[in-house]
Amino acid sequence: NAGVTQTPKFQVLKTGQSMTLQCAQDMNHNSMYWYRQDPGMGLRLIYYSASEGTTDKGEVPNGYNVSRLNKREFSLRLESAAPSQTSVYFCASGGPGASGYTFGSGTRLTVV
Amino acid sequence: GENVEQHPSTLSVQEGDSAVIKCTYSDSASNYFPWYKQELGKRPQLIIDIRSNVGEKKDQRIAVTLNKTAKHFSLHITETQPEDSAVYFCAAKWDSGGYQKVTFGTGTKLQVIP
Repeated sequence: NAGVTQTPKFQVLKTGQSMTLQCAQDMNHNSMYWYRQDPGMGLRLIYYSASEGTTDKGEVPNGYNVSRLNKREFSLRLESAAPSQTSVYFCASGGPGASGYTFGSGTRLTVV
Repeated sequence: GENVEQHPSTLSVQEGDSAVIKCTYSDSASNYFPWYKQELGKRPQLIIDIRSNVGEKKDQRIAVTLNKTAKHFSLHITETQPEDSAVYFCAAKWDSGGYQKVTFGTGTKLQVIP
């Protein structure tokens, strides 16, 4: 039982390049989330997916797109990376009721 | 939407002393309150949680209290140890439109001084 698997762990991009962050969970959760965390700051929600086939914007969606490929997988895409997108990205999944999120191990992205 | 405020933002305590972190929430529909610990360079991990129908929960050196009327909840760490040094996030969860959404506080950086 791996929980939430996130890849890659590290990435350096040049301004204007594109990339996709992958996330998969094996806990049969309906809901999945993408957060970014900047140094010394909290977690800001980028996009979320309540269930397979649905996605919605969070607090900071500009410059990102997402795809809920199936119940297990939720990817985050940067079409044209900018230095302001340098951050640590966390994927998370959550179940109903009294249960918290489980986070992936994070992706440290640097855009130069 | 829900708004969660957390304080203090930083907290330094001597090893062996207690630490208390406080959070308030705005939406009375929130019914589950998890706490996460994030060590440097690692993912946030759930350390304790409390449901809205419970006033207090304890797990060894950590405890959480909830006051639904006042809409605030607190994390208490007793006999602090250096390995308790981390950033702690409170959160409030509610069900909205068929999905579960968690709103996080802004975090408290706890430093335990040996």
